[in-house]
Amino acid sequence: GAVVSQHPSWVICKSGTSVKIECRSLDFQATTMFWYRQFPKQSLMLMATSNEGSKATYEQGVEKDKFLINHASLTLSTLTVTSAHPEDSSFYICSARAEERAGGGYTFGSGTRLTVV
Amino acid sequence: LAKTTQPISMDSYEGQEVNITCSHNNIATNDYITWYQQFPSQGPRFIIQGYKTKVTNEVASLFIPADRKSSTLSLPRVSLSDTAVYYCLVGFNSGNTPLVFGKGTRLSVIA
Repeated sequence: GAVVSQHPSWVICKSGTSVKIECRSLDFQATTMFWYRQFPKQSLMLMATSNEGSKATYEQGVEKDKFLINHASLTLSTLTVTSAHPEDSSFYICSARAEERAGGGYTFGSGTRLTVV
Repeated sequence: LAKTTQPISMDSYEGQEVNITCSHNNIATNDYITWYQQFPSQGPRFIIQGYKTKVTNEVASLFIPADRKSSTLSLPRVSLSDTAVYYCLVGFNSGNTPLVFGKGTRLSVIA
């Protein structure tokens, strides 16, 4: 089946530093990937849509200068949290569509737990 | 996307059948109903999808009445490992539209 690999699975960083999270589609090509953020006991919140070879589309309220997204190839999208602060601590999840199927075909990464101290 | 309403939480004992109902009164004609499962600190995992009537796979069954304004996810004989959050999503999702998650139902299975 389609696999989306996310790395790292967890990371701890100091305030003010930047952290990069990678999302790879292992056995399929993804022109579009999606990035979500999830706080404890809450649902997934869509942050942005990552488009291969073009700029990402950010959801309202998500700072594009803070959450840099790069989708340089058909199998890799990266999310960089710049100048991280404790309030950026969260669970970040990426997703891609492995197949064009009405209503479905989405696969999710295993997530990245970011803790900013 | 059609808005969905699910119970916030449910408890069940091991071995029982669990039914989680999702309301989606504004479902569109071409919308599909999809359920995902999420364990703590993991990404969501596809469980089942349907359009109408009943769908069954090795994990669950999905019951959809004729008016499609609701759906019920049925988990047979749950075990402790079924403790998770279950999300009901409704949409056609063509092209590269993202999935938008509601609040989900937190299922706790008790021994």
